[in-house]
Amino acid sequence: AQSVTQLDSQVPVFEEAPVELRCNYSSSVSVYLFWYVQYPNQGLQLLLKYLSGSTLVKGINGFEAEFNKSQTSFHLRKPSVHISDTAEYFCAGGSNYKLTFGKGTLLTVNP
Amino acid sequence: NAGVMQNPRHLVRRRGQEARLRCSPMKGHSHVYWYRQLPEEGLKFMVYLQKENIIDESGMPKERFSAEFPKEGPSILRIQQVVRGDSAAYFCASSPDRGGTDTEAFFGQGTRLTVV
Repeated sequence: AQSVTQLDSQVPVFEEAPVELRCNYSSSVSVYLFWYVQYPNQGLQLLLKYLSGSTLVKGINGFEAEFNKSQTSFHLRKPSVHISDTAEYFCAGGSNYKLTFGKGTLLTVNP
Repeated sequence: NAGVMQNPRHLVRRRGQEARLRCSPMKGHSHVYWYRQLPEEGLKFMVYLQKENIIDESGMPKERFSAEFPKEGPSILRIQQVVRGDSAAYFCASSPDRGGTDTEAFFGQGTRLTVV
């Protein structure tokens, strides 16, 4: 069965600190990988996606992720977070219409 | 250009009632997808529809659940005779086509169904 695992359900950090949100996928998941963000009371918004090519993917709002095939990982990083980055982040894999999502990681940025 | 609109945002139903969830895709989008998020779980694919056609319903429960996307009007996800286990957030997404490498599915804000 396909699976996407987000290893941390909650990640608290201080403003301007770096952050890494971890995501591992099962090898049966198609190697199209995505990170979505959900701000409070809003829909999911695509942060970035890996389809092929360079393993380092840059997205919106200063986020980036690295596809690591040997470790079956697709961790999301930002070198310096802002209060406004507080949100839930979802890792997903699969084809563009049939996505398998992780359970989400709640990122809380504290002043 | 308005985003994907889902209504209602919150819906409370008693056990045995019917729930109707509506999704209006973004303008120009003819492909709609429904996902369900159970408490403490990730989003799970339910069904993929084009106008007047169900393309893939492999994620839909076999009973009580149905979906449609008529030629005119929003897509409807219908749950008959709801049970407490149906309580979840239901998300709709739309895209202009099935999704080549450059397309993206845009998600709505979700409908939170509570069965009491």
